[in-house]
Amino acid sequence: GAVVSQHPSWVICKSGTSVKIECRSLDFQATTMFWYRQFPKQSLMLMATSNEGSKATYEQGVEKDKFLINHASLTLSTLTVTSAHPEDSSFYICSARVIPLGGFVEQSSYEQYFGPGTRLTVT
Amino acid sequence: GQNIDQPTEMTATEGAIVQINCTYQTSGFNGLFWYQQHAGEAPTFLSYNVLDGLEEKGRFSSFLSRSKGYSYLLLKELQMKDSASYLCAVRDGDYKLSFGAGTTVTVRA
Repeated sequence: GAVVSQHPSWVICKSGTSVKIECRSLDFQATTMFWYRQFPKQSLMLMATSNEGSKATYEQGVEKDKFLINHASLTLSTLTVTSAHPEDSSFYICSARVIPLGGFVEQSSYEQYFGPGTRLTVT
Repeated sequence: GQNIDQPTEMTATEGAIVQINCTYQTSGFNGLFWYQQHAGEAPTFLSYNVLDGLEEKGRFSSFLSRSKGYSYLLLKELQMKDSASYLCAVRDGDYKLSFGAGTTVTVRA
């Protein structure tokens, strides 16, 4: 299956600083990447949809000026948490969706491939 | 919006069968997924249903009834390594996934 990596796997930062998280698709091109946040013992909540070469689409309640998303290439999307606060401490997970080039593909191939996640702790 | 419900916790014995139910109310439906997630790790894909019926994949099976807004994941011949959280997720027409809160399954010897 497709591989998605995230860097860093964990990060600790001080309140007020910014943190950048990278999401890479290693063996395929991803025109669309998704960013999720997961608090302890809760499910994944979609934060935004990142499309290569265009502005990200944010879900309701997610501050676009605080969570900056850049999808500059077909294999890389970045999430920058600006002016981080302790309440931003969470598990951030990205996923990538690949669209096949031509030909019929079963819809199941449009599944999302998840990265390993980044644990952010803001002190 | 999406409203997805699944039980919080389930416990079963090694070698047994467990069925995790998921009900959903969605504004758009384009498939239902089941994922397994171990603590501190990303979800891994288990199964996908878009048409009514049962999909079998080794020890895991998933069922969907679109008219009832209902799915279940069946885990057979439970092993200790199956202890994890199981997430039900519904995909909408924009290929966005909405997740349930997850069901923590504990397998006991």
